[in-house]
Amino acid sequence: SQTIHQWPATLVQPVGSPLSLECTVEGTSNPNLYWYRQAAGRGLQLLFYSVGIGQISSEVPQNLSASRPQDRQFILSSKKLLLSDSGFYLCAWSGQGDTPLHFGNGTRLTVT
Amino acid sequence: GIQVEQSPPDLILQEGANSTLRCNFSDSVNNLQWFHQNPWGQLINLFYIPSGTKQNGRLSATTVATERYSLLYISSSQTTDSGVYFCAVISGGADGLTFGKGTHLIIQP
Repeated sequence: SQTIHQWPATLVQPVGSPLSLECTVEGTSNPNLYWYRQAAGRGLQLLFYSVGIGQISSEVPQNLSASRPQDRQFILSSKKLLLSDSGFYLCAWSGQGDTPLHFGNGTRLTVT
Repeated sequence: GIQVEQSPPDLILQEGANSTLRCNFSDSVNNLQWFHQNPWGQLINLFYIPSGTKQNGRLSATTVATERYSLLYISSSQTTDSGVYFCAVISGGADGLTFGKGTHLIIQP
């Protein structure tokens, strides 16, 4: 069966520091991969979407970037964190076509 | 882009009660999912239901695609049902799910 791993679970970083969050999927090949962010008390916003290695679509302009160095690996990065980057970050995967999305357990990021 | 509206925004019920959560969307959809976000933030897949009716234990869902709405039914509520319920859709060639703002459900013992 397919599983999705996301780490770390929580992270506290100072303003101006770099960020790297990693997500990996097991048990499937060529998944669609997603990064979402949830601000406190609000809904989820799609940040990045990838249909294949090296193919990244960005939904909103921001201080973050994403990369997909391997088929089942998706990385969310920042060179310099802002206070406004605080939030709950969730990685998700789906198969091809009209198939459901499955989410990881998320990373709670606090920028101080 | 597509608009997703959920109602009610907040709901407080006693254990054992039944509830109906509604999701309205502004365009035709290829994908509609219901999620339960637990107190730890995990998003649990409840239903993948772009059309029709499905049931899973005490939960069931119905999507009437032609009228652009979906309903989530919870029967015999338990305290563990508390949390936020999200409806999310994909319309046309959109890249990912668009989420509603959620319904915050509190089940009191």
